[in-house]
Amino acid sequence: DQQVKQNSPSLSVQEGRISILNCDYTNSMFDYFLWYKKYPAEGPTFLISISSIKDKNEDGRFTVFLNKSAKHLSLHIVPSQPGDSAVYFCAASVWGGKSTFGDGTTLTVKP
Amino acid sequence: DVKVTQSSRYLVKRTGEKVFLECVQDMDHENMFWYRQDPGLGLRLIYFSYDVKMKEKGDIPEGYSVSREKKERFSLILESASTNQTSMYLCASSLGGTGRSHEQYFGPGTRLTVT
Repeated sequence: DQQVKQNSPSLSVQEGRISILNCDYTNSMFDYFLWYKKYPAEGPTFLISISSIKDKNEDGRFTVFLNKSAKHLSLHIVPSQPGDSAVYFCAASVWGGKSTFGDGTTLTVKP
Repeated sequence: DVKVTQSSRYLVKRTGEKVFLECVQDMDHENMFWYRQDPGLGLRLIYFSYDVKMKEKGDIPEGYSVSREKKERFSLILESASTNQTSMYLCASSLGGTGRSHEQYFGPGTRLTVT
């Protein structure tokens, strides 16, 4: 039973446009949600997070939205840049930082 | 900046060999994790540790063991390597503790090939 799902394995957008990456979860006990970015041959790096008591968190070009009733979160990147091309992992945690990760979405931003 | 280092970037081992993957973090983090990443399967948790000498199984612990004798070091052991353990192995650490940051800091990964 996969508790965190990223249903789109890949996404391609034009430079300057908005990228929207989606993530669904099933466990209502998750209280913290995170997005990580991964370049090839490197470990993932933390991008942005949101607590379950909020519905939006913004950091520069990156905004995460949380819809608890739908058990859905999304990452918006505006404007998208070629350097944003990477694999994006959604993660959810219950306690002490142990996280459950989605399978990842490969974002390609075309110049 | 938090730094998580892994002993090798690339490793080639033979079936049946005992394999040690070492991970060291330099920020006094309580939690440490071992994942493997395979195409289309995301990051799957093998083991994690929330304190020295403490360990808990993750989602896929079979065929692996771990050791945490010092706070900064977390080792992953493949007792008898098999070809289905060919993968990218990622170590991570986090602050830990209730109400504290959940962000994990990852090492660069070890690409292990078992032949």
